[in-house]
Amino acid sequence: EIQVVESGGGLVQPGGSLRLSCTASGFSVANYGVSWIRQLPGKGLEWVAATGYNGENAYYADSVYGRFTLSKDPSENILYLEMGSVRVDDTATYYCAKETLGASPQYWGQGTAVIVSS
Amino acid sequence: FVMTQSPVSLPVTLGQAASISCRSSQSLVYDDGNTYLNWFHQRPGQSPRRLIYEVSKRESGVPDRFSGSGSGTDFTLKISRVEAEDVGLYYCMQATIWPRTFGQGTRLEIK
Repeated sequence: EIQVVESGGGLVQPGGSLRLSCTASGFSVANYGVSWIRQLPGKGLEWVAATGYNGENAYYADSVYGRFTLSKDPSENILYLEMGSVRVDDTATYYCAKETLGASPQYWGQGTAVIVSS
Repeated sequence: FVMTQSPVSLPVTLGQAASISCRSSQSLVYDDGNTYLNWFHQRPGQSPRRLIYEVSKRESGVPDRFSGSGSGTDFTLKISRVEAEDVGLYYCMQATIWPRTFGQGTRLEIK
């Protein structure tokens, strides 16, 4: 069964760093595309980053480019979202999701909440 | 790519039809000839669920009252007979070009 579970959210000060984890089961993050998508409080969905359909590349939204970085631990089957220089407007619930047919997220996790506040 | 959805709010009577529009600022036809336009539904307090991919392909388990159509820059999600479980937010998302982009969402509510 394909599943993704997010973790690592919490409270972080503006300008600080945080690492989110997306732990996958039923597939390998090294070979399949996984996206990070966030939802600001009371707002819509915003695509953040993804590894591309074969899991080998990294793409970022303009709003996080240069501040957030994707990395992988194939041995643990985890995709990380390294969040740096965080801002108050990065406060959101962060979802990871496996991409499938149609190059879009099909299997979603429950999300992890990030609060950026001093 | 900018994705523009309408309406923002959609009050519907149970059993009636509903339609949501999604327009992109550029054509969503990819080099391979496919169009990577998707629809998602998010119920209150839940994670989003993909309903439709590649304009009109229904996800397994999605009721056939949901249908997607369109081409180029104009797309539509239709619900033939709205049921109570259909309330929530609907989003279109393009996966043709990086970075991916979502529409701003349409809130469906029961009158």
